[in-house]
Amino acid sequence: DAGITQSPRHKVTETGTPVTLRCHQTENHRYMYWYRQDPGHGLRLIHYSYGVKDTDKGEVSDGYSVSRSKTEDFLLTLESATSSQTSVYFCAISAQGGPYEQYFGPGTRLTVT
Amino acid sequence: QQQVKQSPQSLIVQKGGISIINCAYENTAFDYFPWYQQFPGKGPALLIAIRPDVSEKKEGRFTISFNKSAKQFSLHIMDSQPGDSATYFCAASKPGGYNKLIFGAGTRLAVHP
Repeated sequence: DAGITQSPRHKVTETGTPVTLRCHQTENHRYMYWYRQDPGHGLRLIHYSYGVKDTDKGEVSDGYSVSRSKTEDFLLTLESATSSQTSVYFCAISAQGGPYEQYFGPGTRLTVT
Repeated sequence: QQQVKQSPQSLIVQKGGISIINCAYENTAFDYFPWYQQFPGKGPALLIAIRPDVSEKKEGRFTISFNKSAKQFSLHIMDSQPGDSATYFCAASKPGGYNKLIFGAGTRLAVHP
C-alpha cells in the first residue's frame, strides 16, 4: 500500500464520542486525502491537505475536522460520532496536485453504535 | 448530486469473456479519468487512466474508451480472468491542482471459471 498506514484498522465506538483516525506515510508526498466509502456511493472526499497546516474541505466534510502538523501524518477527527459516520475510511497520498496517481492506504472500518 | 454515474452495479462474466463497465459524467471541466481496482479488504489501486485528448488507451488486457461528445468513458477487460474479480471504480478530476477525485459508485465484477 505504497508506504501508507492507517490506524486503527477497526474501531467500534458509541454515538457522541470523539474519534481520531490516523494516516501515516513514508513517501514524503505533499498531498494527502481522506475519503469515506459507502455502498452505492463509491468513495467521497472528506478533507484534503496540500501541505503542512494547509487543509481544505471536500464534498462531505460536515462533522469532520483534520489536522496536519507534519508531512507524514494526516489526522481525521470525528468530534462527536454519529451512526451516519459508520463507514470505511481511506487515506490517500499523491506526489503532485495535478492529474497524478493517488495511492490509497488499507482503510479503517469504523462502526458507530 | 453524483457527478459521475457508473453502471452496472454488478457484473458476472465467464472466464475468457469481455467485461465492460461504463461511466458518464456531467462536468465538461473534468480532464482526467482514472479507473481504480479494489480487492476485498484492500484500498483502491490505480488500474489505468486517460485524458480527454485521446479516444482510447490500452494497457495489457485493460482498455479505456473515451467519448468526449457523449461525456462517457468505459473500461473493457479482455480475456477476463477469475483474478480480475474485484470492485472497479471510475473517477474524474478537474484541472486546477489538488487532484480531488470524484468517484462513481463502483461495479462489482465476478469472473466465473
